Amino acid sequence: GAVVSQHPSWVICKSGTSVKIECRSLDFQATTMFWYRQFPKQSLMLMATSNEGSKATYEQGVEKDKFLINHASLTLSTLTVTSAHPEDSSFYICSGSPFGGDTEAFFGQGTRLTVV
Amino acid sequence: QQQVKQSPQSLIVQKGGISIINCAYENTAFDYFPWYQQFPGKGPALLIAIRPDVSEKKEGRFTISFNKSAKQFSLHIMDSQPGDSATYFCAASMVNTDKLIFGTGTRLQVFP
Repeated sequence: GAVVSQHPSWVICKSGTSVKIECRSLDFQATTMFWYRQFPKQSLMLMATSNEGSKATYEQGVEKDKFLINHASLTLSTLTVTSAHPEDSSFYICSGSPFGGDTEAFFGQGTRLTVV
Repeated sequence: QQQVKQSPQSLIVQKGGISIINCAYENTAFDYFPWYQQFPGKGPALLIAIRPDVSEKKEGRFTISFNKSAKQFSLHIMDSQPGDSATYFCAASMVNTDKLIFGTGTRLQVFP
């Protein structure tokens, strides 16, 4: 299957700082990628849809100024958590599909963010 | 209407037994129903998926049963193994979109 690589796997940052998470599709091009957030023992919550070359589409209740998404190329999307606070600590996961439409989505390995 | 309801929340099965997880949806525009397996600290991985034009799909020990009229689908894991212990998520997406709506997840534990 297709490979989505996410970096870093884990990060610890101080309150008030910003953290960037990268999501790369290694063997396919993705015009659309998705960013999810997952709290312990809970489901994946879609945060935003990242569109190559255009603005991301955020789900209701997600602060677009706090979670900045950039999709500069067909193989790279980034999520920047700005002015992080302890409540932003979570597991962030990206996904992409090589075929588009309602077909198999491939997920990155996730990034564990801890804000202290 | 966008929700996918999943049950049970947790499941304990003995090795060799059958694990059954159920999901239900409301939105008839959903037309793709995948199941994902997730191990702790990892991203989800696709197990098996089905579309509404078939009632059952089998891949190895994993089978999806789909009931379009009842708007329900289920995952059956035959001959469950300790290595199957993980969290399982059902999901659904609509025509011409990659956007997945996930169920709440089922934590499966298979004991030897």
